[in-house]
Amino acid sequence: GESVGLHLPTLSVQEGDNSIINCAYSNSASDYFIWYKQESGKGPQFIIDIRSNMDKRQGQRVTVLLNKTVKHLSLQIAATQPGDSAVYFCRNNRLAFGKGNQVVVIP
Amino acid sequence: NAGVMQNPRHLVRRRGQEARLRCSPVKGHSHVYWYRQLPEEGLKFMVYLQKENIIDESGMPKERFSAEFPKEGPSILRIQQVVRGDSAAYFCASSPEENSPLHFGNGTRLTVT
Repeated sequence: GESVGLHLPTLSVQEGDNSIINCAYSNSASDYFIWYKQESGKGPQFIIDIRSNMDKRQGQRVTVLLNKTVKHLSLQIAATQPGDSAVYFCRNNRLAFGKGNQVVVIP
Repeated sequence: NAGVMQNPRHLVRRRGQEARLRCSPVKGHSHVYWYRQLPEEGLKFMVYLQKENIIDESGMPKERFSAEFPKEGPSILRIQQVVRGDSAAYFCASSPEENSPLHFGNGTRLTVT
């Protein structure tokens, strides 16, 4: 079956450092990917998206990279802040979410 | 604009009772999605509705669970004869169209005692 999954369950990062979260997908037909952030006790929030005709997209402090050859995408957070502590999910244009990757920012 | 509103925020039910979870999508959004989340786990898709129609219910348990999104009013996720295993956070999301980012509510946390 189709799966959208994350490699690392927990990432601890020092405040100010960059964070990289990885996500693999299995459906070659996926043409749209979205990253969400979920803080404790809240619903997921949209961070950034990317379409399959791009390999990189930048937002404010975040960059998403898409490698269609190996079916992999990553989310890079620059200068990680305490407010970035959350669970991050990737999702393709199907309805499934990956399991999530906890990011813990150490002050 | 108000975001997705879910109520109640917390719901406690005894085994065998019914749970009704409500979701008001972002104004103008006609696509509604329900997800379930257990502690330390990801979001599990349940059902996707588009005004009065169920588009995809592949994630819904075959029994006791139902969802609707009437022409007027909020979307309702209904769980009949709840069991302890139904305890979870239920999130609703909406979008203006397919293949666009989902806007999530803050969820309803159901506890079955």
